[in-house]
Amino acid sequence: GAGVSQSPSNKVTEKGKDVELRCDPISGHTALYWYRQSLGQGLEFLIYFQGNSAPDKSGLPSDRFSAERTGGSVSTLTIQRTQQEDSAVYLCASRGGTSPLYNEQFFGPGTRLTVL
Amino acid sequence: KQEVTQIPAALSVPEGENLVLNCSFTDSAIYNLQWFRQDPGKGLTSLLLIQSSQREQTSGRLNASLDKSSGRSTLYIAASQPGDSATYLCAVEGSRLTFGEGTQLTVNP
Repeated sequence: GAGVSQSPSNKVTEKGKDVELRCDPISGHTALYWYRQSLGQGLEFLIYFQGNSAPDKSGLPSDRFSAERTGGSVSTLTIQRTQQEDSAVYLCASRGGTSPLYNEQFFGPGTRLTVL
Repeated sequence: KQEVTQIPAALSVPEGENLVLNCSFTDSAIYNLQWFRQDPGKGLTSLLLIQSSQREQTSGRLNASLDKSSGRSTLYIAASQPGDSATYLCAVEGSRLTFGEGTQLTVNP
C-alpha cells in the first residue's frame, strides 16, 4: 500500500492479558517509530528502529513493553500483562531517510487499545 | 528535556476567518519542526515540515514560520473552511520527535 498501515484498528483486552500490535511501514522506509497517545495527554515516543542498528528503546514505559522489527520491515509492539493505564492509541510512523533533515515522518491510523 | 507548548488549546472561528496557531519549544537544538493535523479517531497527517535552516514553508492556504532562536513557530490558515476543523499538532525533532498537546480548531459554517 501507499501508506503506513496498522492492525488491529481496535483492540479490547482484559487486564493481565498480553497484546500484539502490528505496523506495516511504507515500503523502503528504513526508520520506524512507535508512539502512544493517551487521553488528555500528548503523543509520547516509545521506540525507534533505524535500519539494522540497535533500536532506541528509551521511551518504553516499563519492561512489559517490547518491540521487534523483522527483516527491516514489519514491526510488532508487544505489551505483556496489560494494565488499565496502558489504554491509549498506539501510533506507528515511518521515514525514508536516515537523517531527520528533509524527511517527514508518515503516520499510520493507529491502534486503539482498551484494557478493561 | 524538550518541552513543546501550543496556544490556544482550543479555538472556534467563523468560516472565512484567517487564524494563527502558536507553538513554542524550549530547546532550540532541533533538526526540523513539523505541523500535523489529526481528525477524530484518525492518525496524523503531515501538513508542513520546516527544516532548522528555513524560516517558513507554504502549502496552499497554510503557511508555517519558524524562529528557532526564540523557540517559536506559527501556523497561519487563510480563509478557514469547516473542513479545516481538526486538532493541529506541532512537533520538533532533536534526538526524537517531541509533540505539543495540540490546538483543537472548530470552523463554524
